[in-house]
Amino acid sequence: NAGVMQNPRHLVRRRGQEARLRCSPMKGHSHVYWYRQLPEEGLKFMVYLQKENIIDESGMPKERFSAEFPKEGPSILRIQQVVRGDSAAYFCASSPPKGMNTEAFFGQGTRLTVV
Amino acid sequence: AQTVTQSQPEMSVQEAETVTLSCTYDTSENNYYLFWYKQPPSRQMILVIRQEAYKQQNATENRFSVNFQKAAKSFSLKISDSQLGDTAMYFCAFGADSGTYKYIFGTGTRLKVLA
Repeated sequence: NAGVMQNPRHLVRRRGQEARLRCSPMKGHSHVYWYRQLPEEGLKFMVYLQKENIIDESGMPKERFSAEFPKEGPSILRIQQVVRGDSAAYFCASSPPKGMNTEAFFGQGTRLTVV
Repeated sequence: AQTVTQSQPEMSVQEAETVTLSCTYDTSENNYYLFWYKQPPSRQMILVIRQEAYKQQNATENRFSVNFQKAAKSFSLKISDSQLGDTAMYFCAFGADSGTYKYIFGTGTRLKVLA
């Protein structure tokens, strides 16, 4: 059973370009969470999605950031018109429906560098 | 709102010795979970240990144990017989028993095990 898969592991974008980060949850997991880790900081919650639904986006910046988790395929975190301050590690976590476990499983993260 | 505080940015310990990492949190919830995650240089988030707030008994996983003081809102991690492979960032995290895996992370403690 493969773990949570994130790709790419490293992504370099110039200011103003778009960044697309992908997350494939563990088999059988229908819930996905995105977190951002700025240098020398802890992970900060961004958004929680179930298949085809955004459940909680209270941690998402209001502009330029969006997330989706389609019925088929991976979850995508999209950052438009990237700026230097978007440079960070972005982690995805997945879980089964609540009640079946008490932890989420994390991917290895995507390190985004904006130059 | 919940908060998690780790007041030790860096710590070091001699191989085979014991070290304790501190974590305090604030919440008005009665049911919740607390976690310690290890993040080695590979950036993978590895769950070290988990504590359910309704359990009075402190969790233990091999060389890792916690001292959970619910009234004091304290959740420290003790690593016994430290090994070089324990060198990593350690994050304390809070998860409300709210039906989601939206975690609040502390800022981390960088632990270095010395040979």
